[in-house]
Amino acid sequence: GESVGLHLPTLSVQEGDNSIINCAYSNSASDYFIWYKQESGKGPQFIIDIRSNMDKRQGQRVTVLLNKTVKHLSLQIAATQPGDSAVYFCAESVPGYSTLTFGKGTMLLVSP
Amino acid sequence: DSGVTQTPKHLITATGQRVTLRCSPRSGDLSVYWYQQSLDQGLQFLIQYYNGEERAKGNILERFSAQQFPDLHSELNLSSLELGDSALYFCASSGYPDPGTAQYFGPGTRLTVL
Repeated sequence: GESVGLHLPTLSVQEGDNSIINCAYSNSASDYFIWYKQESGKGPQFIIDIRSNMDKRQGQRVTVLLNKTVKHLSLQIAATQPGDSAVYFCAESVPGYSTLTFGKGTMLLVSP
Repeated sequence: DSGVTQTPKHLITATGQRVTLRCSPRSGDLSVYWYQQSLDQGLQFLIQYYNGEERAKGNILERFSAQQFPDLHSELNLSSLELGDSALYFCASSGYPDPGTAQYFGPGTRLTVL
């Protein structure tokens, strides 16, 4: 039969806007989180990470916010550019688990 | 560029065949992870090696196997291929054995089984 692609939520923004991509993680014991960017046909690219003893971490044009109370992670991209168009997904690490757990992702579309 | 290399970039083969995918981790990284990414499944963890030893297993089929060599490169062997094995296969590397550190991904191998 025909394979059905993942139905990813999509965020459409204009160039120059700030973008906020959200991720609800699953395990309250998770102690490490990563954001990845994946362009079509390419491998996931590390953007930024944060440990659970922090609430916020900033990189170049990106900020990750962690709200452990509601198990929510967000990625803020400042002055979004067309080159930021990609799928963004978060991953979490739970102590004792053998690997990262990856979310399904959000597609970011940036219009010039 | 993550520093992780994978070959080949594309592979087209027939059902029932066997293929080998190769991965070289970033310089100094001892951990290699293999993932499968298909349209309807997202990124699925297959197996991890750390310094030559199998460290963790995920949703890896019995038809699939992997190894990590003394020079730390890794190979993923896929045998008795089926149409459903068509996917992108990624390896990732990190410097530590536990998953609570950043993993850096290679560009992937796109496998098409006809």
